Amino acid sequence: DAEITQSPRHKITETGRQVTLACHQTWNHNNMFWYRQDLGHGLRLIHYSYGVQDTNKGEVSDGYSVSRSNTEDLPLTLESAASSQTSVYFCASSESTQSYEQYFGPGTRLTVT
Amino acid sequence: AQKVTQAQTEISVVEKEDVTLDCVYETRDTTYYLFWYKQPPSGELVFLIRRNSFDEQNEISGRYSWNFQKSTSSFNFTITASQVVDSAVYFCALSEVSSNTGKLIFGQGTTLQVKP
Repeated sequence: DAEITQSPRHKITETGRQVTLACHQTWNHNNMFWYRQDLGHGLRLIHYSYGVQDTNKGEVSDGYSVSRSNTEDLPLTLESAASSQTSVYFCASSESTQSYEQYFGPGTRLTVT
Repeated sequence: AQKVTQAQTEISVVEKEDVTLDCVYETRDTTYYLFWYKQPPSGELVFLIRRNSFDEQNEISGRYSWNFQKSTSSFNFTITASQVVDSAVYFCALSEVSSNTGKLIFGQGTTLQVKP
């Protein structure tokens, strides 16, 4: 069965360190998204990609970067982790842009101390 | 500006009660999509339904039903005869065609607790 996976599921890091969260999907979807979930804010879009070599900024992209070298993977990098980036991060993919639902990974809980 | 409001932060009901989760949205687009997702205690996000702005037919799926009313910009979700397994956080989301990004604009979520 097709799926979307994230690793690690839990991560504790120190302020200032670079951290990379992995996202891998086997749906063969062109569109991939990264969201963060914080209490009181729902989910907010960090970055998204429509295909290989394509990346775009979302509403809360400062301090994050992504790269898309193949269809299956969209890793999210925190260049210099900050305590404000403590959150739960979700990766998602979809078949199309607006009209199709997004399928979400299980999430990564990141704590920055 | 686009926005999704779920005014009910938390709802607590007793098993077998019916419960309605409210969702009000704001958009200037005439073409858009609305979604509901469920997030059980295990944390994953589960897609429940998608509705486009041209289809105001209500939908029923088992104990779940959705009422879409463009006149009031609402897309409410009703669970009939609730069960403990329905306990979760429920998110309403909006996708605007004009943005051409595919991004989902989420409400803040409603936590539903169903007590035995």
